[in-house]
Amino acid sequence: GAVVSQHPSWVICKSGTSVKIECRSLDFQATTMFWYRQFPKQSLMLMATSNEGSKATYEQGVEKDKFLINHASLTLSTLTVTSAHPEDSSFYICSARDPGIFYEQYFGPGTRLTVT
Amino acid sequence: AQRVTQPEKLLSVFKGAPVELKCNYSYSGSPELFWYVQYSRQRLQLLLRHISRESIKGFTADLNKGETSFHLKKPFAQEEDSAMYYCALYAGNMLTFGGGTRLMVKP
Repeated sequence: GAVVSQHPSWVICKSGTSVKIECRSLDFQATTMFWYRQFPKQSLMLMATSNEGSKATYEQGVEKDKFLINHASLTLSTLTVTSAHPEDSSFYICSARDPGIFYEQYFGPGTRLTVT
Repeated sequence: AQRVTQPEKLLSVFKGAPVELKCNYSYSGSPELFWYVQYSRQRLQLLLRHISRESIKGFTADLNKGETSFHLKKPFAQEEDSAMYYCALYAGNMLTFGGGTRLMVKP
């Protein structure tokens, strides 16, 4: 099946700094990618939908100026957490939509962000 | 708006016992429903989709539109089935996940 990678898998940063997380579809082109946030022992919450070549669509309550999403190519989407604070510490997961099956999504392994 | 509810956060059974993980949804249109599984330290992966009416790793799920349910079942649980299970609804161009159920299969 299709593979989605994320980098880094784990990052620790100081409060006030910015962190960029990459999401790549390795063997298929993804016009649409999704970014989720998962708190410990909780479910995935969709943050935003990223469409190649256009602006991301953010879910209600997600600050678009804080969580910058760029989807510049068909295989790469990035999430930048700007001016990170300890409450931004979480597990961030991306997924990419299979272009052949509109509802099929493949998930990355996730990135654990810890803000100190 | 769509909503997915998994009433049990934790389900603990003995090996060989039947398993049923409950999922209820609310959606005004025709639902596309899925079960995803997340094994320890692994990524989320699709287990099965209602549209395929398939059985994966012995698991089945039937969509009951009258009860708005999509419960996941397996007649004989195995220890390797221990994982987090998420029910998800595809609608409005996005997946909405339930809260998840942790299944623990004891030897």
